[in-house]
Amino acid sequence: EAQVTQNPRYLITVTGKKLTVTCSQNMNHEYMSWYRQDPGLGLRQIYYSMNVEVTDKGDVPEGYKVSRKEKRNFPLILESPSPNQTSLYFCASSLVGGNTIYFGEGSWLTVV
Amino acid sequence: GESVGLHLPTLSVQEGDNSIINCAYSNSASDYFIWYKQESGKGPQFIIDIRSNMDKRQGQRVTVLLNKTVKHLSLQIAATQPGDSAVYFCAEINDYKLSFGAGTTVTVRA
Repeated sequence: EAQVTQNPRYLITVTGKKLTVTCSQNMNHEYMSWYRQDPGLGLRQIYYSMNVEVTDKGDVPEGYKVSRKEKRNFPLILESPSPNQTSLYFCASSLVGGNTIYFGEGSWLTVV
Repeated sequence: GESVGLHLPTLSVQEGDNSIINCAYSNSASDYFIWYKQESGKGPQFIIDIRSNMDKRQGQRVTVLLNKTVKHLSLQIAATQPGDSAVYFCAEINDYKLSFGAGTTVTVRA
């Protein structure tokens, strides 16, 4: 079954404590990206990756890092989380040039 | 800056009626437009897309219309069902960058 899997699904953490949200896809997609979803703002792109070792900033990259060492994985790293990073995060993947984008189930992150 | 936006944040529709959800965009260079459906607690699901060189595309119970003159995109859902209750997002793709509107919450009344 085609899947984009994110972990953890729910997390409460404290300000400044580094955390990583993992994302894995089993469809051999080149393109992967991270979004955050906030009320009234819709989904905003944080980072995206066109292939292994190729990453680019989206609309709201501040406070986040990503890496793409393997094709299937695209972790989102918050080096020093702050309360304004409390949000619902989605990972997505697709073929480059493909318009069908698969989303994960989302990760609820609360920073206190 | 350029953005994708939806006209109304909420839409209430009677079961069996047709629904029309609207979206205005400002980036005339976008290649693709996509409609997504997001149910509570889930990630967005692809509904239908349309290329910038088309003005209409039909799927199962859904139709997307693109009016490039006024930069307007709409999603029509025929015979709306309770399972259609969700948040609907329009999105545009420009150079692999996906930009979403804020979403319209559709509630189907029995």
